[in-house]
Amino acid sequence: QSVLTQAPSLSGTPGQRVTISCSGSNSNIGSTSVNWFQQLPGTAPKLLISTSNHRPSGVPDRFSGSKSGTSASLAISGLRTDDEADYYCAAWDVSLDAWVFGGGTKVTVL
Amino acid sequence: VQMEQSGAELKKPGASVRVSCKASGYSLSAYGFSWVRQAPGQGLEWVGQITVYNGETKIAQKFQGRVTMTVDSSMGTANLNLGRLKSDDSAVYYCARLHDADGMDVWGQGTTVIVSS
Repeated sequence: QSVLTQAPSLSGTPGQRVTISCSGSNSNIGSTSVNWFQQLPGTAPKLLISTSNHRPSGVPDRFSGSKSGTSASLAISGLRTDDEADYYCAAWDVSLDAWVFGGGTKVTVL
Repeated sequence: VQMEQSGAELKKPGASVRVSCKASGYSLSAYGFSWVRQAPGQGLEWVGQITVYNGETKIAQKFQGRVTMTVDSSMGTANLNLGRLKSDDSAVYYCARLHDADGMDVWGQGTTVIVSS
């Protein structure tokens, strides 16, 4: 049972805009910023959106993050076949004094 | 910037394992190391972190008493030690560079640990 809640899967067609949601609480997303990671099959996670809400060098601007209250979202615009991956949110939890992750959302491009 | 991890390990239940992570291409003192694991077919799970400049550690509650983390600044290496291994500790263990503002921004390739009798 993950502390942050994500939908297990979602799908879209090439060129579409999809949004991945991450729900938390006042002790994590409500108090701190969110990291978003992309994990392609068989590879290590890769940072997409930093806790300072920046995209690291090399991450396309098709990926964008936002936050409202105790929820955060990752939007992917202009969906491509190579965006098929698992996407994870993470945030520091001030009560647990620990990083907490969402369970991951598997994005399928139809 | 690179985080290069040690090779796969096969351990028996009750044993201990050490996973190493060699960092290069940046100044270690400005960052920390975070450790995250992923069991087969499962999501990401935070294990703990260590700050390089003062050695302060934070460990997830479920691992307290079984995990120690160290950093050798001269070698640019961080180590994760996990003791009293159980079969459900079988996972890929990742190290990640930890930045105060950006979070876990660069990841190692992962180290597979298999616990089996």
